[in-house]
Amino acid sequence: DVVMTQSPLSLPVTLGQPASISCRSSQSLVYIDGNTYLNWYQQRPGQSPRRLIYGVSNRDSGVPDRFSGSGSGTDFTLKISRVEAEDVAVYYCMQGTHWPGTFGQGTKVEIK
Amino acid sequence: DVQLLESGGGLVQPGGSLRLSCAASGFTFSNYPMTWVRQAPGKGLEWVSGMSGSGGSTYYADSVKGRFTVSRDISMNTLYLQMNNLRAEDTAVYYCGRGYRGPENWGPGTLVIVSS
Repeated sequence: DVVMTQSPLSLPVTLGQPASISCRSSQSLVYIDGNTYLNWYQQRPGQSPRRLIYGVSNRDSGVPDRFSGSGSGTDFTLKISRVEAEDVAVYYCMQGTHWPGTFGQGTKVEIK
Repeated sequence: DVQLLESGGGLVQPGGSLRLSCAASGFTFSNYPMTWVRQAPGKGLEWVSGMSGSGGSTYYADSVKGRFTVSRDISMNTLYLQMNNLRAEDTAVYYCGRGYRGPENWGPGTLVIVSS
């Protein structure tokens, strides 16, 4: 299985400051169709996961533009330009290129 | 609006069986691949099973292969997960999701506890 490694696992951030989460895969996530199925999910306490980003850098509908995704191949990043209180959550990267789909360990974003 | 609602969770003894359901609405169920993902208490997300949009292909994590079976009833717009020979390590909240290369919609989940 493809191993997804996130860092850091805990990220204390000051309100209004940027945050960045790294995700590395053990294999290239470029599929035979040319697409890269790398997604980012947000899971607030007590809630279901919510997809924020798909295909590396495409924001889902309703996701604030302070969230952005980038990367290629095996290295990917989720950035929050200015952290707000509602961003307190665990963030997961997930690859859907190779079967089975696999998730990173999760990064807990909290306010300092 | 897309809605997914899981049900069927509960307390079951090791070695027992449960069937989870995921009722779908707000989209053409037969056109979409579907996914089951689980989350053990206090832990991260684990992909469990998937079914292609045609229903012709199914996929399982190694941890559940041979014990879990995914199926669907298009007439009922419902996805199922039949879980047999349950183990303590299967204790988790089970979520269904629309899509499988990156589920875009999720249900609220249903809790399965495997314990004697």
